[in-house]
Amino acid sequence: AQSVTQPDIHITVSEGASLELRCNYSYGATPYLFWYVQSPGQGLQLLLKYFSGDTLVQGIKGFEAEFKRSQSSFNLRKPSVHWSDAAEYFCAVGSNSGYALNFGKGTSLLVTP
Amino acid sequence: NAGVTQTPKFQVLKTGQSMTLQCAQDMNHNSMYWYRQDPGMGLRLIYYSASEGTTDKGEVPNGYNVSRLNKREFSLRLESAAPSQTSVYFCASSAGSDGETQYFGPGTRLLVL
Repeated sequence: AQSVTQPDIHITVSEGASLELRCNYSYGATPYLFWYVQSPGQGLQLLLKYFSGDTLVQGIKGFEAEFKRSQSSFNLRKPSVHWSDAAEYFCAVGSNSGYALNFGKGTSLLVTP
Repeated sequence: NAGVTQTPKFQVLKTGQSMTLQCAQDMNHNSMYWYRQDPGMGLRLIYYSASEGTTDKGEVPNGYNVSRLNKREFSLRLESAAPSQTSVYFCASSAGSDGETQYFGPGTRLLVL
């Protein structure tokens, strides 16, 4: 079954520093991969997605992610983090349940001054 | 457009009580989903409806039932609530094909005593 693993439960970065959140997937064919962000007490918002084509994907809020088939990874990056980026980040992959998604357990990002 | 709306926002139940969580979308989407979110577990699929008139079980369907009332509405029912169903419930919708973005509602926070 398709699945994703987010190895880091919590990450702390300083404001202005670069960020990389890791995501590894398990999938038999070309996966559909997503990154969502959840601010406290809110629903999930799509940051970016990959399903074909260019392996470097640009998203909203200055985020990008790179699909690496050889490493089964889809890591999320941002060159300079802002305090407002503090949130929970979820990586997800398309599942066998219709068009539902399988989510990772999330990475909580804390941004320090 | 409102996107995906959920009611209620917050609910407290006693063990054994029943309730229905309501979800509606105004994006003319074919597919709708119910997920639950628990700390450290990410989002897990309860039920989904790939198209109007169809519903299927997801990863954690026990203790729940669903109804796809029409193309817009997808409700989740707890017949006899248990403390293990204390969670945050998210409804989502998508156009209904591979790689399509899922749009999430704001969530319903349920506490079962």
